[in-house]
Amino acid sequence: AQTVTQSQPEMSVQEAETVTLSCTYDTSESDYYLFWYKQPPSRQMILVIRQEAYKQQNATENRFSVNFQKAAKSFSLKISDSQLGDAAMYFCAYRSGSGTYKYIFGTGTRLKVLA
Amino acid sequence: GAVVSQHPSRVICKSGTSVKIECRSLDFQATTMFWYRQFPKQSLMLMATSNEGSKATYEQGVEKDKFLINHASLTLSTLTVTSAHPEDSSFYICSARSHGYTFGSGTRLTVV
Repeated sequence: AQTVTQSQPEMSVQEAETVTLSCTYDTSESDYYLFWYKQPPSRQMILVIRQEAYKQQNATENRFSVNFQKAAKSFSLKISDSQLGDAAMYFCAYRSGSGTYKYIFGTGTRLKVLA
Repeated sequence: GAVVSQHPSRVICKSGTSVKIECRSLDFQATTMFWYRQFPKQSLMLMATSNEGSKATYEQGVEKDKFLINHASLTLSTLTVTSAHPEDSSFYICSARSHGYTFGSGTRLTVV
């Protein structure tokens, strides 16, 4: 069975600084996708970034980038130039590339941005 | 972009009653929808996969007779919590599969 682990329950970053959120996963599948979702106080799940396992290049979306280490099964999220609006819960998620396509979420990291 | 509407956003019901939560895809057809449950300060746990025109697939440990799922059309899935008890109080979120996955805004259920 697949698992997703986020070892940092809470992180803090100074506004305009850079922070990295960690995520590791375990799977025996070769075809899968990895995601980072943001959940602000409104509880709406917002897709931050996604990575296809078959792609070696790390995904980037503006200030958000990932460090995808497939052999190590690591998928960290780097937030550059942190803004107050980045404060939220961040969930790492795994989805199989076949079968039921269901998500498996990590336990989340609460990010605080300090002014 | 794809939009999923979830209704109601908040509901309070008395213990022993049933409550229905709707998940509707507004601008696309969703043959598959997913229902998640999120306890305070915890992660999302998949409850079941809802397939249009067929029975839902429940995750291990989820009582199918308590959490009734109906996916009668390509744009609507409903989750009915039957004979609700205080321990069913939680945040319920649906998501629908289109070209990607879109989440609803969630329903906070409080059973008193």
